[in-house]
Amino acid sequence: SAVISQKPSRDICQRGTSLTIQCQVDSQVTMMFWYRQQPGQSLTLIATANQGSEATYESGFVIDKFPISRPNLTFSTLTVSNMSPEDSSIYLCSVAHTEAFFGQGTRLTVV
Amino acid sequence: GIQVEQSPPDLILQEGANSTLRCNFSDSVNNLQWFHQNPWGQLINLFYIPSGTKQNGRLSATTVATERYSLLYISSSQTTDSGVYFCAVGGGGADGLTFGKGTHLIIQP
Repeated sequence: SAVISQKPSRDICQRGTSLTIQCQVDSQVTMMFWYRQQPGQSLTLIATANQGSEATYESGFVIDKFPISRPNLTFSTLTVSNMSPEDSSIYLCSVAHTEAFFGQGTRLTVV
Repeated sequence: GIQVEQSPPDLILQEGANSTLRCNFSDSVNNLQWFHQNPWGQLINLFYIPSGTKQNGRLSATTVATERYSLLYISSSQTTDSGVYFCAVGGGGADGLTFGKGTHLIIQP
């Protein structure tokens, strides 16, 4: 298993601002994944972050809006840029060896 | 991409009842997991089950990979079982997961 810590756990932000979410894992992993869960919806993969290379984004997500850093094998950040109320969601970090594990999520509200 | 369908979308049961949740997927997979999302939003791993049958207490799961479906069984339901149950599939460790829309389970006392 893996222990994943996300910060912050929740935040309320003004529209037009940016928020950086941190994800720390208790072991070295090659791939880290970022997901979004909009209110009442399922989880959608935003991007895959591989240490030492650019993140790979899924259709509908772009680097300018969701820049990702992956400075080492245990840490990653996701920034939600120029936020609007439509960005209000839970953002989750995940790692997988065979089985995937998730952080507790960051509940973001944009006002 | 792969499609994941879960049924039923909503289920309301009395405490002590049994239930079966279904997950159909459109292509072969190397990873299939069941999660329970609690009211605080945290995803709890229930089963990693790309094939075969597993049991953990009152919960069990079966995946028939050749027929592209998985079942989650909950027996003797308790109110703490309430929440959303997600099925998610993927190609393996380097791939992210594709989630179904979930089954919203409410257990009434």
